[in-house]
Amino acid sequence: EAQVTQNPRYLITVTGKKLTVTCSQNMNHEYMSWYRQDPGLGLRQIYYSMNVEVTDKGDVPEGYKVSRKEKRNFPLILESPSPNQTSLYFCASSLIQGGGRIFGQGTRLTVV
Amino acid sequence: AQSVSQHNHHVILSEAASLELGCNYSYGGTVNLFWYVQYPGQHLQLLLKYFSGDPLVKGIKGFEAEFIKSKFSFNLRKPSVQWSDTAEYFCAVNVRYGGATNKLIFGTGTLLAVQP
Repeated sequence: EAQVTQNPRYLITVTGKKLTVTCSQNMNHEYMSWYRQDPGLGLRQIYYSMNVEVTDKGDVPEGYKVSRKEKRNFPLILESPSPNQTSLYFCASSLIQGGGRIFGQGTRLTVV
Repeated sequence: AQSVSQHNHHVILSEAASLELGCNYSYGGTVNLFWYVQYPGQHLQLLLKYFSGDPLVKGIKGFEAEFIKSKFSFNLRKPSVQWSDTAEYFCAVNVRYGGATNKLIFGTGTLLAVQP
């Protein structure tokens, strides 16, 4: 089954403790991206990747890092999480840059 | 700056009523247009998309949308809603700039509640 898999689904952490949210897709898609969803703000793009070793900032990249060492994986790294990064995070992939994104199930992160 | 506006933040309808959700975008270049649905506690799922051709596109679950280029709009419609359509709906616009760079911009969403 074609899908985007994120882990973990739920995470509660403390301020400053580094964490990684993994994202993996099994569709051989070149384009992957990360979004955060906050009430009243919709989804905002954090980072995106057009292919292996090619990444770029989205609209809200501050406090986040990404890497794309393999085509299927696109982890999101929070080096020093802060409470304002409490949010619902979605990873997405698409075959082509302008195509419809397939979204993962989401990761609900709480930073206390 | 590019933006996507969804004017209806909350919509409440009775079953069998007709639905129209507005979506306008601000960008003069090439766009691809999408509507996504998010059922409670779930991820976003693609309802329909427009790339080119017939401006009236049909999606899953009986939804359709019409692209009106002159109005920069891509409104979502359904002739008769069901209780199971209760969800949040997001309009999204992919803008292409700089030759190779694409960016997907979301609206803030419309929460639809369908009363049985």
